[in-house]
Amino acid sequence: DAGITQSPRYKITETGRQVTLMCHQTWSHSYMFWYRQDLGHGLRLIYYSAAADITDKGEVPDGYVVSRSKTENFPLTLESATRSQTSVYFCASMRGTGELFFGEGSRLTVL
Amino acid sequence: KNQVEQSPQSLIILEGKNCTLQCNYTVSPFSNLRWYKQDTGRGPVSLTIMTFSENTKSNGRYTATLDADTKQSSLHITASQLSDSASYICVVSREGYKLSFGAGTTVTVRA
Repeated sequence: DAGITQSPRYKITETGRQVTLMCHQTWSHSYMFWYRQDLGHGLRLIYYSAAADITDKGEVPDGYVVSRSKTENFPLTLESATRSQTSVYFCASMRGTGELFFGEGSRLTVL
Repeated sequence: KNQVEQSPQSLIILEGKNCTLQCNYTVSPFSNLRWYKQDTGRGPVSLTIMTFSENTKSNGRYTATLDADTKQSSLHITASQLSDSASYICVVSREGYKLSFGAGTTVTVRA
């Protein structure tokens, strides 16, 4: 089915471990984004990508790494997870009109 | 300070009643304003998108208004249904992918 999918939907990990959240879109949209959503805050941009092999930092990039070797995939890696990275993470892609399409989210708990 | 402020933070309404959500922004320059609906545990879904020249846009029982002079927008829900229970997020675009998110208004519709 066409759309944007994230995996895993739920993840529990321990402080210091590496975690990778996956994001896949089937539309071939150029722009892709990673946001985190925390209570009391709006969605905050972690990283974005304008095309394959082009990525840039957003508002809250510290502790995260991204890559984009293929247009359809945009994984987000937490190199050494911290409790402050407990959050719900949303991947999104943007159509040419500017409309944003979100995945269903990945809920991450760092113990 | 968040450049997009939404009010109220939450509200409860009876099924069949109307309600209006507010969004004030200070984002500049302004490209467009979007309203998203986010059901619990799901990703946000686009309701409306308005450019500078548009004053109102409807999507079924949802009507968004925009006053670019006062930098205010509202989302009106007519004849609310239980399925309208969700968080509603106001998003302002400066240009292209540069988006500012409000913290959202949580709407609870009671039977």
